[in-house]
Amino acid sequence: QKEVEQNSGPLSVPEGAIASLNCTYSDRVSQSFFWYRQYSGKSPELIMSIYSNGDKEDGRFTAQLNKASQYVSLLIRDSQPSDSATYLCAVNNQAGTALIFGKGTTLSVSS
Amino acid sequence: SQTIHQWPATLVQPVGSPLSLECTVEGTSNPNLYWYRQAAGRGLQLLFYSVGIGQISSEVPQNLSASRPQDRQFILSSKKLLLSDSGFYLCAWSRLAGGSYNEQFFGPGTRLTVL
Repeated sequence: QKEVEQNSGPLSVPEGAIASLNCTYSDRVSQSFFWYRQYSGKSPELIMSIYSNGDKEDGRFTAQLNKASQYVSLLIRDSQPSDSATYLCAVNNQAGTALIFGKGTTLSVSS
Repeated sequence: SQTIHQWPATLVQPVGSPLSLECTVEGTSNPNLYWYRQAAGRGLQLLFYSVGIGQISSEVPQNLSASRPQDRQFILSSKKLLLSDSGFYLCAWSRLAGGSYNEQFFGPGTRLTVL
């Protein structure tokens, strides 16, 4: 059974700090990695995609991928209260037909 | 731009009743379509995916079924609901027919409560 693991949290950070969210996956052949943000009662929203080892930056968000360690992370700089949500890590399956999701990490940013 | 719709937004149904949830996508053609369920305390579970009209793959054996009568329409059904069918049902679409770069975009979801 292919798995994606995340700490459930909650992860609490003060406004303006860096939030670091982590994810590990079990399938070594996975090629595509995604971070989704889900506000309470709402559907997931894609915020970052990463396919190669290293860092990918988009505004205040940086995704980091290390395929050798089977590890992907999301950094949120200058965290805002509006960033408070559950962050879902997702990895494509071997066939590339579907995504496997972690259970998510809840982030709380206090003002 | 692409838009994905789901209805109804919320639904309360008795055990044993039938179910029909609908999903439509606008602004793209030949999308991959997906049904997920998110139950309380559990992650997103893939139920069905479709790469084209009439082509349905089931990921989890259960009392649910899916159909794709049109290119941009995806329907989730059940003949008799169980209590365990309660959850947040999400439809998603992606551009590519398989492959690694499978960004998926979700609809607003249907919250189903079975009593």
